[in-house]
Amino acid sequence: TQLLEQSPQFLSIQEGENLTVYCNSSSVFSSLQWYRQEPGEGPVLLVTVVTGGEVKKLKRLTFQFGDARKDSSLHITAAQPGDTGLYLCAGRNSGNTPLVFGKGTRLSVIA
Amino acid sequence: DAGVTQSPTHLIKTRGQHVTLRCSPISGHKSVSWYQQVLGQGPQFIFQYYEKEERGRGNFPDRFSARQFPNYSSELNVNALLLGDSALYLCASSLSHGGRNQPQHFGDGTRLSIL
Repeated sequence: TQLLEQSPQFLSIQEGENLTVYCNSSSVFSSLQWYRQEPGEGPVLLVTVVTGGEVKKLKRLTFQFGDARKDSSLHITAAQPGDTGLYLCAGRNSGNTPLVFGKGTRLSVIA
Repeated sequence: DAGVTQSPTHLIKTRGQHVTLRCSPISGHKSVSWYQQVLGQGPQFIFQYYEKEERGRGNFPDRFSARQFPNYSSELNVNALLLGDSALYLCASSLSHGGRNQPQHFGDGTRLSIL
């Protein structure tokens, strides 16, 4: 069974601070996705990374896929209250396999 | 365009009852997947359907079943409900089955509470 471990579980920071959350596994993934989920809503896809070492930027969010495709990180610059939510990573070990999700990092950005 | 729609949004049942949850995918999407999200956890895969056929099944008991209709909508059925079935049930649709870059679009879920 593939497992994705996310850290930290909870993070509370002040507006304007930077932060990084991590997604780690002992398994290799063919692709990895990051989602953000707000209370009462379903997860919303932020990015998909497929190549080892790949870096993608989405405004103040920077996503990196590890060289060995076993881990990923999400860095947020100058966090804002609107960034508050549950950040989930999810991986596939091949094209046709279902997504495996981590437990998520719950981020709270205080104004 | 409408996103993935799920009904009902909330449901309260008692132990032993059965429940049917419904999902309409984004127009043009032929694949539907179901996930269970227990409070404090990430979503856990239950089923995937593509072109009305089951293409994947997670580690859930036989009390859980699903089907996909010719219009690509889907139902998730759970029999003999247990307290541990209380969760948010999420439906996700995608254009096709497979492909590592295939994005999944989630609905807002059905919150099922078992008393």
